[in-house]
Amino acid sequence: RKEVEQDPGPFNVPEGATVAFNCTYSNSASQSFFWYRQDCRKEPKLLMSVYSSGNEDGRFTAQLNRASQYISLLIRDSKLSDSATYLCVVTNDGGSQGNLIFGKGTKLSVKP
Amino acid sequence: EAGVVQSPRYKIIEKKQPVAFWCNPISGHNTLYWYLQNLGQGPELLIRYENEEAVDDSQLPKDRFSAERLKGVDSTLKIQPAELGDSAVYLCASSLDSGTPPNEQFFGPGTRLTVL
Repeated sequence: RKEVEQDPGPFNVPEGATVAFNCTYSNSASQSFFWYRQDCRKEPKLLMSVYSSGNEDGRFTAQLNRASQYISLLIRDSKLSDSATYLCVVTNDGGSQGNLIFGKGTKLSVKP
Repeated sequence: EAGVVQSPRYKIIEKKQPVAFWCNPISGHNTLYWYLQNLGQGPELLIRYENEEAVDDSQLPKDRFSAERLKGVDSTLKIQPAELGDSAVYLCASSLDSGTPPNEQFFGPGTRLTVL
């Protein structure tokens, strides 16, 4: 089982749609969780951290369920500029503290 | 403020040749990371430095890969000899430190290596 698994995608949605990405992780000792965004042929950039209580940043909402080892990202009212690959990331705590483990990413294409 | 700088941006070499990548982290960032990213995959950590010390190199293929960060600032990642399977994007990232919770990692644009 891979350490971080994501929806395979790609997701092709029209502008204005709501889209949800799911992610599961295998290390129950993981303490920190993130979503990174990576544009085509660019470097990954932090989109948002994910907290147990859930957190929202504008059109983006992240949720964490520690019991199920499940993370989600919801994008509302999607824009053309949201087209990118979204990487689910967890820390590899319990061993190499602070190291980030990345999922494969889910590609999102928002169409006019 | 300048971000993480990497060079070269692209490199094409023949197999069995050596290659080196250079990274200059964000000023004041003590922790430096080298990642490898294959097409369709997420970045995978190769090595992590705290200042000049390599604190985690467990994923670095030491038979052909080496890295250094002599003065705790710039870093170089070397492959010798390169193999076809080394074709990938090599990303450098830096953060203030690697505390808990971890500080944000800032990535450079990467070096895209093609081994022929």
